[in-house]
Amino acid sequence: KAGVTQTPRYLIKTRGQQVTLSCSPISGHRSVSWYQQTPGQGLQFLFEYFSETQRNKGNFPGRFSGRQFSNSRSEMNVSTLELGDSALYLCASSGTSGVGSDTQYFGPGTRLTVL
Amino acid sequence: DAKTTQPPSMDCAEGRAANLPCNHSTISGNEYVYWYRQIHSQGPQYIIHGLKNNETNEMASLIITEDRKSSTLILPHATLRDTAVYYCIVRVAFKAAGNKLTFGGGTRVLVKP
Repeated sequence: KAGVTQTPRYLIKTRGQQVTLSCSPISGHRSVSWYQQTPGQGLQFLFEYFSETQRNKGNFPGRFSGRQFSNSRSEMNVSTLELGDSALYLCASSGTSGVGSDTQYFGPGTRLTVL
Repeated sequence: DAKTTQPPSMDCAEGRAANLPCNHSTISGNEYVYWYRQIHSQGPQYIIHGLKNNETNEMASLIITEDRKSSTLILPHATLRDTAVYYCIVRVAFKAAGNKLTFGGGTRVLVKP
C-alpha cells in the first residue's frame, strides 16, 4: 500500500497570507490527524478528522482549521499567517474507528516557512 | 493520556543492542504504550506498541514491566541508520477517544561506528 502523502512538501509564504496543505491517507484509512512540529514546542496535535467530522481538537487558535472529504483526503488551512507558524506540518492516518490499538502512520510532512 | 519520561539522549555502538527506557508511572489499565522514531526532518515512523505483554517485530522488541509503569524498547543490532529521536507515547484504548498522540521530548539516540 502507498503511504501517507502530503503536498506540497515545501512552502514559503509571507505574513498575513493564508495557506492550504493537503494530505492523502493510506487507502482504506478513515481517520486523519494533523500535527505541528516546531523546535520550541515539539510535536503538537492540531486536530483529527474521521468520516468528514472533526473528532478531536488541540489547543490552537481558530486560524488553524481543517476539513476532510468523502474520500478521506484532508486539508488544513492556516489563515493570517504569523512568523511563529513556520513549522513542519505532519499528517497521520489510521485504519479504523479509533480503538486504542489503531496505529497512526505519518506522512513526510510539509515544511512551511513564513517570512 | 499518561505522561512519559525518557532520557534526553543516549549513545550506542553500532552492532550492539540499544535499550531505550521509558517511564509511564501514571499509566491506566486502558492505555497502550507506543514507540515512534523520527529521523531528522522526516515524519515519525511507527516502531511497535503493546498493552501489557512483551512484543517483538522486525524492527524492535518492547518489554513492559509487570506493573506497566515502565517499558524498554530494544533495538537488537543498532545501525547508523537507527540514529533518530525515539518517542515513547501512551494513549487510551477506547473508541470515543479517537486518535491523538501526545509527544514528549523523546530520546535522541546517536549510533556511533
